[in-house]
Amino acid sequence: AQKITQTQPGMFVQEKEAVTLDCTYDTSDQSYGLFWYKQPSSGEMIFLIYQGSYDEQNATEGRYSLNFQKARKSANLVISASQLGDSAMYFCAMSPPMASGSARQLTFGSGTQLTVLP
Amino acid sequence: NAGVTQTPKFRILKIGQSMTLQCAQDMNHNYMYWYRQDPGMGLKLIYYSVGAGITDKGEVPNGYNVSRSTTEDFPLRLELAAPSQTSVYFCASSYPTRDSTDTQYFGPGTRLTVL
Repeated sequence: AQKITQTQPGMFVQEKEAVTLDCTYDTSDQSYGLFWYKQPSSGEMIFLIYQGSYDEQNATEGRYSLNFQKARKSANLVISASQLGDSAMYFCAMSPPMASGSARQLTFGSGTQLTVLP
Repeated sequence: NAGVTQTPKFRILKIGQSMTLQCAQDMNHNYMYWYRQDPGMGLKLIYYSVGAGITDKGEVPNGYNVSRSTTEDFPLRLELAAPSQTSVYFCASSYPTRDSTDTQYFGPGTRLTVL
């Protein structure tokens, strides 16, 4: 079974500063995927970034980067130069290995509510 | 592309009523999923499908049914609605990409209240 833990229910950051959102995971699988999604107050789920378990480089997408430390089973999201529009709930999620013909169900953490202060 | 669309956006049901939540995607994705999100929580998988005619249960399937007659559509059926089914329902779709993984893209959600 897979498990995602997000220990920060809420975080505050000053506009234009960087912030790190924590995510730790537990799995016995050798191959897996790690994802971050953003959920603004409007409710939609927006895909931000993906990291494969065999990727040697940390994933980056614009202002988002994923600090992947496999030995520590952590996949923290770093947002650089925070903007007011970054205020939202952020979810870390994990998918199991892909078996032929099967889908890869996501397991979600409980989320971190980020508030960017002007 | 419209991506993943869901209807309705909001619905109030009485206990014991039934309804179907509609989900459609125009990205030709093989895989589709239904999740529910309870207040202050992450998403939990209800059902998923790997292609037309093939569905399987997720973590919380009780009280729900699905069908997948086409690649595009994946409706979720609630029979005998109960207050415990008050939640926000998300449909998602995906297609295998690099590194043998797939990224799931979500619809806007359906907010359901059962009274």
